[in-house]
Amino acid sequence: NAGVTQTPKFQVLKTGQSMTLQCAQDMNHEYMSWYRQDPGMGLRLIHYSVGAGITDQGEVPNGYNVSRSTTEDFPLRLLSAAPSQTSVYFCASRKDRGSASNQPQHFGDGTRLSIL
Amino acid sequence: SQKIEQNSEALNIQEGKTATLTCNYTNYSPAYLQWYRQDPGRGPVFLLLIRENEKEKRKERLKVTFDTTLKQSLFHITASQPADSATYLCAVYNFNKFYFGSGTKLNVKP
Repeated sequence: NAGVTQTPKFQVLKTGQSMTLQCAQDMNHEYMSWYRQDPGMGLRLIHYSVGAGITDQGEVPNGYNVSRSTTEDFPLRLLSAAPSQTSVYFCASRKDRGSASNQPQHFGDGTRLSIL
Repeated sequence: SQKIEQNSEALNIQEGKTATLTCNYTNYSPAYLQWYRQDPGRGPVFLLLIRENEKEKRKERLKVTFDTTLKQSLFHITASQPADSATYLCAVYNFNKFYFGSGTKLNVKP
């Protein structure tokens, strides 16, 4: 199994450009999420999904859109890139959605995004 | 929302000693707390989970404790090795959301 795959690994954008970060998992996990990681800030939740067709906002959703049309894929869209969105972005998945579940999250290796 | 606090200063210890890392959370007690390891340039990797009704959990050289009165979890690595050098993150789960600390970098010197 490949686990959680993120593409691209690196990207440089100009302010105002839009782009989509791709995330795919082959473990049939229901729960998927996107984080950004900035120095000294830890991982902050952007958006998450508890299943196909269901998405919700995390701590820092502004400037980002998501959709979940299939179980496998959870793309993150930057609508109009800003320098403040320079960060490392991680996608993660978890087996099920239940609050009582003790399933861990599985992370991809991240996309390093620079906005000039 | 939750605020998760971990010591931002790196922890430097000698090989063979026990490393102890701290995670404090504010507000409500989480259903469970997880610990992850992150190596440079890689995504976090899950290590251990402890539920709110558990006091202690062990896995090989790793031990996690959970004190809901102090709102604190301690993560211990016994007989530490240079290969244990990494950043360790704690995370709590509430209402479908995970909240992460900023992590503590552990350096184990031979």
